[in-house]
Amino acid sequence: EAQVTQNPRYLITVTGKKLTVTCSQNMNHEYMSWYRQDPGLGLRQIYYSMNVEVTDKGDVPEGYKVSRKEKRNFPLILESPSPNQTSLYFCASSFVTGGRGNEQFFGPGTRLTVL
Amino acid sequence: AQSVTQLDSQVPVFEEAPVELRCNYSSSVSVYLFWYVQYPNQGLQLLLKYLSGSTLVESINGFEAEFNKSQTSFHLRKPSVHISDTAEYFCAVDSNTGFQKLVFGTGTRLLVSP
Repeated sequence: EAQVTQNPRYLITVTGKKLTVTCSQNMNHEYMSWYRQDPGLGLRQIYYSMNVEVTDKGDVPEGYKVSRKEKRNFPLILESPSPNQTSLYFCASSFVTGGRGNEQFFGPGTRLTVL
Repeated sequence: AQSVTQLDSQVPVFEEAPVELRCNYSSSVSVYLFWYVQYPNQGLQLLLKYLSGSTLVESINGFEAEFNKSQTSFHLRKPSVHISDTAEYFCAVDSNTGFQKLVFGTGTRLLVSP
């Protein structure tokens, strides 16, 4: 089954404790992206990657890191989480060929609470 | 910068009634427009999209949206809703400022009751 998976689905942590949210896709997509969803704000892009070893900032990159060492994986790293990073996080992927109109496939989401 | 406005945060409707979810965008260039749906506890799924050509686009489950350039709108409609349509609906525009970067509206929660 073609899908984007995220782990963990739920996470409660404390301020300053480093964490990683994993994202993996099995569709051979070049493009991957992280969004955060907050009430009343919709989804905002954190980082994206056009291909292996190619990453760039989105609209709200502060406090986050990403890496793209393999095509299928795009982990999101919070080196020192803070309460304002409490949010629902989505990973998405798509093909690059074809350009702007390509459908993005979303993972099921990771609900993060930072105390 | 591109932006998307979904004025209705919540739309309650009875089963089998028609519904319209409103979406307006701001853009000075050609746009690609999308509607995504988020069912409870799930990720977003593409419902339909407008890239070019016919201004009326349809989804496989009875939704349709019409691109109106003069009114900068892309409203989503369904003539008769089902309980299973209860979900949050997001309008999005390709930002044209970053590859495949989508700018999302704040979402409209559609609540269908019997």
